[in-house]
Amino acid sequence: DAGVIQSPRHEVTEMGQEVTLRCKPISGHNSLFWYRQTMMRGLELLIYFNNNVPIDDSGMPEDRFSAKMPNASFSTLKIQPSEPRDSAVYFCASSPRQGGVVGYTFGSGTRLTVV
Amino acid sequence: SQKIEQNSEALNIQEGKTATLTCNYTNYSPAYLQWYRQDPGRGPVFLLLIRENEKEKRKERLKVTFDTTLKQSLFHITASQPADSATYLCALPRGDAGNMLTFGGGTRLMVKP
Repeated sequence: DAGVIQSPRHEVTEMGQEVTLRCKPISGHNSLFWYRQTMMRGLELLIYFNNNVPIDDSGMPEDRFSAKMPNASFSTLKIQPSEPRDSAVYFCASSPRQGGVVGYTFGSGTRLTVV
Repeated sequence: SQKIEQNSEALNIQEGKTATLTCNYTNYSPAYLQWYRQDPGRGPVFLLLIRENEKEKRKERLKVTFDTTLKQSLFHITASQPADSATYLCALPRGDAGNMLTFGGGTRLMVKP
């Protein structure tokens, strides 16, 4: 398996623009997570999907952020409009089932810079 | 509120020695705890999971202990190698159980030849 695939690897955008980050989880994994990592705040959970349904989005910072999972093999995280404080590395992770007794598999991340 | 603490200062050790990293937590009664490794520019990689009823878990040169009384987990790497240099993160389930993980800030380990 190719692992969790994220695109793009790097994104530089101007403040106010829309940004869309993409994730393809491991086939057969039914749990998907979006995290954000910064030096100041570490890894923060943004949203959790199970079987394509959003279960917990309490970590989404504000209405500018939205996430979708239209099918088991694809998820997007959208920021509209983007702001400089959104600059971070965004990770997608998947796991085989609920319960947490198996580890996550993370993608390589998308480094977002908003100027 | 639930809190996870890892030493934010880097740990520098000599090759061949045992590295010991600490994860302390408050306001948790976790059903399990996980450890991950993260290299620069990469996503975290899952290493080990230990359940609340397990005192110790081993995997090759790695050993994890879990003391629910002290609210602490220790992560040991024996016979450390320069290739072990990375940041190590512990993670606990939000709300003590379930599938959503909260990560500690990580400790950077540097193994010198």
